[in-house]
Amino acid sequence: AQTVTQSQPEMSVQEAETVTLSCTYDTSESDYYLFWYKQPPSRQMILVIRQEAYKQQNATENRFSVNFQKAAKSFSLKISDSQLGDAAMYFCAYRTHNNDMRFGAGTRLTVKP
Amino acid sequence: GAVVSQHPSRVICKSGTSVKIECRSLDFQATTMFWYRQFPKQSLMLMATSNEGSKATYEQGVEKDKFLINHASLTLSTLTVTSAHPEDSSFYICRARDYLYNEQFFGPGTRLTVL
Repeated sequence: AQTVTQSQPEMSVQEAETVTLSCTYDTSESDYYLFWYKQPPSRQMILVIRQEAYKQQNATENRFSVNFQKAAKSFSLKISDSQLGDAAMYFCAYRTHNNDMRFGAGTRLTVKP
Repeated sequence: GAVVSQHPSRVICKSGTSVKIECRSLDFQATTMFWYRQFPKQSLMLMATSNEGSKATYEQGVEKDKFLINHASLTLSTLTVTSAHPEDSSFYICRARDYLYNEQFFGPGTRLTVL
């Protein structure tokens, strides 16, 4: 079974600074998808960034980028120039081709003004 | 972008009653929908996978007679919590798969409180 581990229950960052959220996963599959979702207090799941496992290039979306290390099964999220609106729960997720999606326990990010 | 709605967004019911939660894909066909439960300060736990026109597949430990799932059309899946108890109080979220583009979209969730 696939598992997703987020070892940081809480993280804090100063506004305008950079923070990295960690995620590791366990799988025997060779092709899969990885995601970072943001869940604000409204609890709507918002897709932040996705990465296809067959792509070696790390995905980037504006201030959000990932460090995907396939051999190490690591998928960290870097948030640059942190903003107050980035404060939320962040979930790392893994999805197989049969669309089974599993989530990590989440990291609560606090942004200090 | 594609939108998934859930109704109701919030429901309070008495213990022993049944509650139906709807998940609709508004501008795409969803052959597969997934139902998750999220307890406070916890992650999303997959409850079941429903495919249009067939029986749902439940995760281990999820009571299929208690959580009835129906996926009768390509745009609607329903989750019925039967004989609800206070321990069923939770946040229920659906995820819908766009058949054409194999993209996935989450609904906004339903907060269920059982008194």
